[in-house]
Amino acid sequence: GAVVSQHPSWVICKSGTSVKIECRSLDFQATTMFWYRQFPKQSLMLMATSNEGSKATYEQGVEKDKFLINHASLTLSTLTVTSAHPEDSSFYICSASGRWFNEQFFGPGTRLTVL
Amino acid sequence: QKEVEQNSGPLSVPEGAIASLNCTYSDRGSQSFFWYRQYSGKSPELIMFIYSNGDKEDGRFTAQLNKASQYVSLLIRDSQPSDSATYLCAVNRVTGGGNKLTFGTGTQLKVEL
Repeated sequence: GAVVSQHPSWVICKSGTSVKIECRSLDFQATTMFWYRQFPKQSLMLMATSNEGSKATYEQGVEKDKFLINHASLTLSTLTVTSAHPEDSSFYICSASGRWFNEQFFGPGTRLTVL
Repeated sequence: QKEVEQNSGPLSVPEGAIASLNCTYSDRGSQSFFWYRQYSGKSPELIMFIYSNGDKEDGRFTAQLNKASQYVSLLIRDSQPSDSATYLCAVNRVTGGGNKLTFGTGTQLKVEL
């Protein structure tokens, strides 16, 4: 399968600071990237969908100004959690799909802890 | 009604047995169906996908789809302890925002020695 990387794998930050998470497709061009959040013992919740060169489409209830998504190239998308608070602590996972396939391949995830 | 429903389990099977995981979905317009495996603390990994009614086999895994009943299942033959994980069913739908996957809450599988 296709390979997707995420960086960092974990991050601890103070309340009020911003955190940027990178998602890269390593061996294919990701025309669409997705950002998910998963709280303990819960399922994946889609936060937003981004197509290369376009503004992200956010799911209902997800604050656009708090979770900034940029998909500037076919191999890189970033999620910035602005003014993070403890309730933003979660497992953030990106996935990517390519031009010629529907499957989504997931990155390894980023565990965010906000103190 | 949830869009994608799975029994949360845990489903316990002895080593070597067949594990049967089930999933139902509500949107009749759903076009493709995916099974992901997620180990605790890790991200999901794709096991297989199916688009057409019937069975699709890949090694020890068989996906079954019945669009009339809005039902998709995953069979794992010769279950191994390493198969112990949460299995997520996902359904693809085309929206104004493009293709999106909707995930079920997952079924926890435990394969016992």
